[in-house]
Amino acid sequence: EVQLVESGGGLVQPGGSLKLSCAASGFTFSGSAMHWVRQASGKGLEWVGRIRSKANSYATEYAASVKGRFTISRDDSKNMAYLQMNSLKTEDTAVYYCVITTFDYWGQGTLVTVSS
Amino acid sequence: DIRMTQSPSSLSASVGDRVTITCRASQGIRNDLGWYQQKPGKAPKRLIYAASSLQSGVPSRFSGSGSGTEFTLTISSLQPEDFATYYCLQHNSYPSFGGGTKVEIK
Repeated sequence: EVQLVESGGGLVQPGGSLKLSCAASGFTFSGSAMHWVRQASGKGLEWVGRIRSKANSYATEYAASVKGRFTISRDDSKNMAYLQMNSLKTEDTAVYYCVITTFDYWGQGTLVTVSS
Repeated sequence: DIRMTQSPSSLSASVGDRVTITCRASQGIRNDLGWYQQKPGKAPKRLIYAASSLQSGVPSRFSGSGSGTEFTLTISSLQPEDFATYYCLQHNSYPSFGGGTKVEIK
């Protein structure tokens, strides 16, 4: 059974940093790209970014809204994906989901609140 | 970037109604499109992939059609458990979602 479990969310001040983790199991993690998607309360879904597999040189791509502030990484030995968020803004407040490459499996999400 | 325009943004319908939701892509995306259902407090659940393929375990009252720039999700006979918000997602280029359609009880 495929499982994705996010952690690391919480309250952070504007300008601060936070690192989210995604623990994956039940599929060949090393061969799969991983996405992060976010959703502000009462709003729609927004793609944040993606990290490809080793076979694709661990290439990353980001939405314009987070490029230069957010960094996605992975540790295939631990079946983990990460989202490092720096220079956080109030508009980054959202539930963050990690999602498998085919977009058929999603984690339960972790809430990030950016507020003073 | 590819923009997905989803309509309507909300609709009211009764149990048993036929419901149609549309997504239009700003440029051709072949059939690289999925449809998702989301209920409050839950992660989205995929209903349709490759524009018209039914996800395993999803009731057959859900169907998808289209290719290129115009796509449709149809619920043939709305059931009480179908009241939710629906999103399209294109993954032809950098992924992008439609704005969502909230299906409410009439």
